[in-house]
Amino acid sequence: GAGVSQSPSNKVTEKGKDVELRCDPISGHTALYWYRQSLGQGLEFLIYFQGNSAPDKSGLPSDRFSAERTGGSVSTLTIQRTQQEDSAVYLCASSSPLAGPSGGNIQYFGAGTRLSVL
Amino acid sequence: AQKITQTQPGMFVQEKEAVTLDCTYDTSDPSYGLFWYKQPSSGEMIFLIYQGSYDQQNATEGRYSLNFQKARKSANLVISASQLGDSAMYFCAVSGGSYIPTFGRGTSLIVHP
Repeated sequence: GAGVSQSPSNKVTEKGKDVELRCDPISGHTALYWYRQSLGQGLEFLIYFQGNSAPDKSGLPSDRFSAERTGGSVSTLTIQRTQQEDSAVYLCASSSPLAGPSGGNIQYFGAGTRLSVL
Repeated sequence: AQKITQTQPGMFVQEKEAVTLDCTYDTSDPSYGLFWYKQPSSGEMIFLIYQGSYDQQNATEGRYSLNFQKARKSANLVISASQLGDSAMYFCAVSGGSYIPTFGRGTSLIVHP
């Protein structure tokens, strides 16, 4: 596939259960991001992977949240002991840094996983 | 530190007319990029346009153009000849040396026939 793939598209779980969300980035993209988007809100940064470097976890809201990226490709976001406030759409994006002097990189997003915690 | 301010929670425009979506930013990075994304009701974020802080000319991509005023820290999106399919949420973002973008809260655009 050419785009970023996320699974599942929807996840309903009970409070206190663990969930795993998967992201398959665009082939060759070295950077991978996870975001959370609550209803009617902007994007909240969670974690950033760049190549083989240690991930930037500065956006993770609590120690119940963790993420891995295996082999520089697929990533899994895990939420342990889910709470109702974890209900949101979780978006994954991948990118390659732009050439040129300016910072930043164009991100390509998946369709997201809608998580509902009952 | 980075910040994006989108002051228009909702905008309405008549089909075929032009519309400007406002975005102001703040960043401590000397080199940065500005981005606009579109999020239709389907939920997927779609990249529209990019402006580098050192780019001399305003970016254009088809019907989209970015009105970049560096001194004012403004990066407004202009959509010309609006179409019904342009109805969506629009997000402005800034990204600097950390490569972690900051997004605004978005502007909801509704295009009327």
